[in-house]
Amino acid sequence: DGGITQSPKYLFRKEGQNVTLSCEQNLNHDAMYWYRQDPGQGLRLIYYSQIVNDFQKGDIAEGYSVSREKKESFPLTVTSAQKNPTAFYLCASSLQGDEQYFGPGTRLTVT
Amino acid sequence: GDSVTQMEGPVTLSEEAFLTINCTYTATGYPSLFWYVQYPGEGLQLLLKATKADDKGSNKGFEATYRKETTSFHLEKGSVQVSDSAVYFCALWVPNFGNEKLTFGTGTRLTIIP
Repeated sequence: DGGITQSPKYLFRKEGQNVTLSCEQNLNHDAMYWYRQDPGQGLRLIYYSQIVNDFQKGDIAEGYSVSREKKESFPLTVTSAQKNPTAFYLCASSLQGDEQYFGPGTRLTVT
Repeated sequence: GDSVTQMEGPVTLSEEAFLTINCTYTATGYPSLFWYVQYPGEGLQLLLKATKADDKGSNKGFEATYRKETTSFHLEKGSVQVSDSAVYFCALWVPNFGNEKLTFGTGTRLTIIP
């Protein structure tokens, strides 16, 4: 089955630690995206990548980093510089950028 | 900049009621418009889309018509079911020479009671 996988589903970290969220897709999509979702709010774009070895900052990139070494993979690192990292993180991919397919999400809790 | 405004929720309806969730947009170019649905604890699923004025997107009994004159893309369903309970997001996408992104509304939580 083609799709997007994110792991883990729930992640707990202590403040001051970096944490990496996994996102893998087997849809052969060129573009991949990371969003953050907070309760009662829409999705905010963190980073996106339209091709391997290239990525751009979204609206809220501060405190986050990404890499795109393989077409299938787009991991997101939440660094200790992110002031309020507790949130639901969603990864998506797209063939041409418009119709995006989402993974099941990772809920990160930092205490 | 581009933006999407959705009706505020939560919306609570009885089963078999008629549903409308309003969505209006502001865009500098010629956007494609989308409705996504999010069930509790899950990611978003594309529900329907329309790529040009007067197009009607439809899926699973839901419909939305791209109205350029009123810059709207309201979601409708004639008879809702308990399984339609979810959060619905309206979104737009404008071509921009490789710098495109989806712009989302804040979402509307829908609860259907038996």
